[in-house]
Amino acid sequence: EVQLVESGGGLVQPGGSLRLSCAVSGFTLSDHYMDWVRQAPGKGLEWFGRSRNKANDYTTEYAASVKGRFTISRDDSKNSLYLQMSSLKTEDTAVYYCIRPKTGGTRGMEVWGQGTTVTVSS
Amino acid sequence: DIQLTQSPSFLSASVGDRVTITCRASQGISSYLAWYQQKPGKAPKLLIYAVSTLQSGVPSRFSGSGSGTEFTLTISSLQPDDFATYYCQQLNAYPYTFGQGTKLEI
Repeated sequence: EVQLVESGGGLVQPGGSLRLSCAVSGFTLSDHYMDWVRQAPGKGLEWFGRSRNKANDYTTEYAASVKGRFTISRDDSKNSLYLQMSSLKTEDTAVYYCIRPKTGGTRGMEVWGQGTTVTVSS
Repeated sequence: DIQLTQSPSFLSASVGDRVTITCRASQGISSYLAWYQQKPGKAPKLLIYAVSTLQSGVPSRFSGSGSGTEFTLTISSLQPDDFATYYCQQLNAYPYTFGQGTKLEI
C-alpha cells in the first residue's frame, strides 16, 4: 500500500526555521515526482513545490510565495522527502501535505499524506 | 500565474440532485485540469484528472468536461457522502494553482 506520512510540524516564531519530513512506503521514491501543497486555516489549497524524480535529476520548482525560503530535498535511501523552511512568516501557518502526483506530474495529485500543522506565531 | 475561478463558491443541494460546478481559467490550460474532493479535517482526494478521466475507485456519478478555459464537474445524483468542498487545479504551468473551492452543503 502506498503511504505518505508527514512529521515535523509545530509552533515556530516568525523568522524561524523548521524542517518537515515525509516518510514514504509502498513505492520507490526515486521513480516519482513529489509535491508539497499547503492549506491555511479555513482557506483553500496552495501548491508550492515539486521535486522531480531521479530520471529528471531531482530538479525542483517553487511558487513565488516560498522561493528562496523553502527547499525541497529527498533521501531516497531513507524513503524520505524533506521540506526545509526558513525565514518563516505568519502567513506560512498552514497544514502541509506531502503528495505523490500521478506519473508524469501533470495529471493530478494522486496520493496525499495526512498533513502536518505548522504554526508561525510569536 | 494562471487564475482559476470556481462558481458557485457555495452550493446548497439535496440528495438525488444533479449539480454542476464550473472552473474558469484565466488562460488556456489544454487538458491539464483536475478535480478534488475534501472533507473537513481530511486531505483532498483526487476525483478526476485530464479534464474527464475518472480516478480509480471514484463513483461514476462524478464526471468532468470542458476545454480551453472553461471546465465543469458534474455529480449526477448527489449522495450523502458527496457533501464536501470541491477544488479544481490546473497543471498546465507552474505554479499549479487551485480554484478557491466550492462548498457543497445540504
